[in-house]
Amino acid sequence: AQSVTQPDIHITVSEGASLELRCNYSYGATPYLFWYVQSPGQGLQLLLKYFSGDTLVQGIKGFEAEFKRSQSSFNLRKPSVHWSDAAEYFCAVGAPNFGNEKLTFGTGTRLTIIP
Amino acid sequence: SAVISQKPSRDICQRGTSLTIQCQVDSQVTMMFWYRQQPGQSLTLIATANQGSEATYESGFVIDKFPISRPNLTFSTLTVSNMSPEDSSIYLCSVVVAGGLLNTGELFFGEGSRLTVL
Repeated sequence: AQSVTQPDIHITVSEGASLELRCNYSYGATPYLFWYVQSPGQGLQLLLKYFSGDTLVQGIKGFEAEFKRSQSSFNLRKPSVHWSDAAEYFCAVGAPNFGNEKLTFGTGTRLTIIP
Repeated sequence: SAVISQKPSRDICQRGTSLTIQCQVDSQVTMMFWYRQQPGQSLTLIATANQGSEATYESGFVIDKFPISRPNLTFSTLTVSNMSPEDSSIYLCSVVVAGGLLNTGELFFGEGSRLTVL
């Protein structure tokens, strides 16, 4: 069965500092990987996705993520965070071989930005 | 893309009662899902809402507790039956638009219905 691990429950960074949120997955083949963001009181919004090809993917709001097969990781990065980036971030994995379109989500990382 | 409206956005309910959550999408979608997000936890898939037939439930979820309807391609309801405080969660409707999740890469979410059971 597929699974996603986000080791960091809560991260605090200063505005303008760089950010890296960790995500590790477990799946028997190359999965489809996603990062979603959930702002307070809001639904989830897709930041970026990886299906195949270039392992460094660019997303919205200045985010990027790198797929590393050898480490089973898909870490999210941003070179300089803004106060508006404070939110909950979820990594998710989809399994095309399942023949359906469900996603498995990690437990999320809450990002706090300090001035 | 898809715009999803959920009602109610939040509610406070008494133990033993039932609440129905509505999900309306502004376009026809191929798949609709219901997720639960318990406090401080991630999203857990409850079921896939199938148009005109019984929903497909994930392990740990049953129709008697979470009956789901999907009468057409744009609307679904989730009922939380005989509620207990453990049912206090955010319930999220999500959809896949034409082209499919694995083609478009996006699962669209409603803003959720925050349910508190006393």
